[in-house]
Amino acid sequence: EAQVTQNPRYLITVTGKKLTVTCSQNMNHEYMSWYRQDPGLGLRQIYYSMNVEVTDKGDVPEGYKVSRKEKRNFPLILESPSPNQTSLYFCASSLSPRGADTQYFGPGTRLTVL
Amino acid sequence: AQRVTQPEKLLSVFKGAPVELKCNYSYSGSPELFWYVQYSRQRLQLLLRHISRESIKGFTADLNKGETSFHLKKPFAQEEDSAMYYCALSGRGYSTLTFGKGTMLLVSP
Repeated sequence: EAQVTQNPRYLITVTGKKLTVTCSQNMNHEYMSWYRQDPGLGLRQIYYSMNVEVTDKGDVPEGYKVSRKEKRNFPLILESPSPNQTSLYFCASSLSPRGADTQYFGPGTRLTVL
Repeated sequence: AQRVTQPEKLLSVFKGAPVELKCNYSYSGSPELFWYVQYSRQRLQLLLRHISRESIKGFTADLNKGETSFHLKKPFAQEEDSAMYYCALSGRGYSTLTFGKGTMLLVSP
């Protein structure tokens, strides 16, 4: 089944403890991105990647890192999480970096930073 | 800069009533407009895009370049339409997707 997967789905952690949220797609998509969803703020893009080894900042990149060593994987790294990073995170992928391509979303990761 | 505005956080209607979810955009070139939907406890998924000019689940949306709007409409709302709806915009070619803040649609019986 063609899909985007994320792990973990739920995570509670403490301030300063490094964590990684994994994202994987099996559709051979070039473009991948990370969003955070907050009440009243909608979806905001954190980072995106147009292809392997090509990443760029979105609208709210502070406090996050990403890497794209393989086409299928695009992990989101929080080196030193803070409570303001408590949010619902979505990974998405699309066939190409063309904005018109349909984005396929993962199920979301709900992160709580205490 | 590209921007998407959804003025309503919440829209509550009764079953069978017409629905219009508003979306206005700001973009200097020719935009690509989309509506994405998120049902309760499900992932976001594409509902429709303006270039397809199609009707999905009874919803339609027309791009009005003069008013820079892309409102989502349905003549008769159903309870299963209750969801969060996001309007999104991208430019032609290589471009990121910008989302509005979303409108929660609640359809009551």
